[in-house]
Amino acid sequence: NAGVTQTPKFRVLKTGQSMTLLCAQDMNHEYMYWYRQDPGMGLRLIHYSVGEGTTAKGEVPDGYNVSRLKKQNFLLGLESAAPSQTSVYFCASSRPVGNLAEAFFGQGTRLTVV
Amino acid sequence: GNSVTQMEGPVTLSEEAFLTINCTYTATGYPSLFWYVQYPGEGLQLLLKATKADDKGSNKGFEATYRKETTSFHLEKGSVQVSDSAVYFCALSGETSGSRLTFGEGTQLTVNP
Repeated sequence: NAGVTQTPKFRVLKTGQSMTLLCAQDMNHEYMYWYRQDPGMGLRLIHYSVGEGTTAKGEVPDGYNVSRLKKQNFLLGLESAAPSQTSVYFCASSRPVGNLAEAFFGQGTRLTVV
Repeated sequence: GNSVTQMEGPVTLSEEAFLTINCTYTATGYPSLFWYVQYPGEGLQLLLKATKADDKGSNKGFEATYRKETTSFHLEKGSVQVSDSAVYFCALSGETSGSRLTFGEGTQLTVNP
């Protein structure tokens, strides 16, 4: 029972490089999310999607882009990485039942930008 | 906007001690409230939740009561174990934000034998 799977788990980038983080869920959830986790700040929402082909900005979207071409996948892109994007990134998914739904999280991607 | 404030950490306890982690929130209307737990090297997982005032969420010996009058959702456990060592996050989803979660800062709990 895979749940939410993120790849890669670790990555080191040089400033200015680009990369894509992949999130895949096998629970047929409509909603998917990308959060970043920084010390002392909890998790902050970057972008989210309420269905295939849709995306929306969250609390901290600058410097990131996303795509949801397939229902089970949600990609997070960094076009030109900056040291401020050093963080742990978590993908999550949930069912569309308003504000009652439990979110299921992946194990995270630890990204370091040098 | 919505916000969640947790007590400052980290918290270090001896096994079998009583645990309280404070959580207060700001939101319009009636949000749903959650506690998530993150074990070392893992993602977050739901510990418990409450969806309306005076509801008590409970799981694995942990409890939290949704207090509308004090806008609080404090996490408690009567007797902690070493295996409870983790980071605990209080979170809410608002009436207008749907299932998007707003998290507190997280509280690192370490339980010593």
